[in-house]
Amino acid sequence: EAQVTQNPRYLITVTGKKLTVTCSQNMNHEYMSWYRQDPGLGLRQIYYSMNVEVTDKGDVPEGYKVSRKEKRNFPLILESPSPNQTSLYFCASSFYPASEQFFGPGTRLTVL
Amino acid sequence: GQQLNQSPQSMFIQEGEDVSMNCTSSSIFNTWLWYKQDPGEGPVLLIALYKAGELTSNGRLTAQFGITRKDSFLNISASIPSDVGIYFCAGQLFNAGGTSYGKLTFGQGTILTVHP
Repeated sequence: EAQVTQNPRYLITVTGKKLTVTCSQNMNHEYMSWYRQDPGLGLRQIYYSMNVEVTDKGDVPEGYKVSRKEKRNFPLILESPSPNQTSLYFCASSFYPASEQFFGPGTRLTVL
Repeated sequence: GQQLNQSPQSMFIQEGEDVSMNCTSSSIFNTWLWYKQDPGEGPVLLIALYKAGELTSNGRLTAQFGITRKDSFLNISASIPSDVGIYFCAGQLFNAGGTSYGKLTFGQGTILTVHP
């Protein structure tokens, strides 16, 4: 089944404790992207990747890191999480940026 | 960052009514996309628009790419209870070359509630 998977689905952590949210797709997509969703703000792009080893900042990259060592995986790293990073995070993939993006199920992160 | 202004923010309608929502921007876009998010799920693409003036339908849904390239609208006809959800517009900036090519901007979303 074609899909985007994210793990974990839910995470409660404390300020400053490094964490990684994994994202994997099995559709051979070149483009992958991370978004955060906050009430009233819609989806905001954090980082995106056009291909392996090619990543770039979206609109809200501060406090996040990403890597793209393999085509299928695009982890999101929070080196020192803070409460303002409490949010719902989505990973998505597609063949190119403006084509249909397939979204993962979301990761709800709470930083205390 | 670049913002898309999506309106209305929420709508409460009766089953069978038609719905209209739109997105506007001060910048020119070369692609407009409309997504729907069901509760507890990730967004799913409804309609993609790639040419100014383009009018595209998908069942009861119709969307148009504004002629100025700065706006788009989505209409839903004869709404049904399963239309409930959050609708997002998204766009890729015109002439977004180089490293900005991969940037996508989403609107704030329209929350649709349909009363049976």
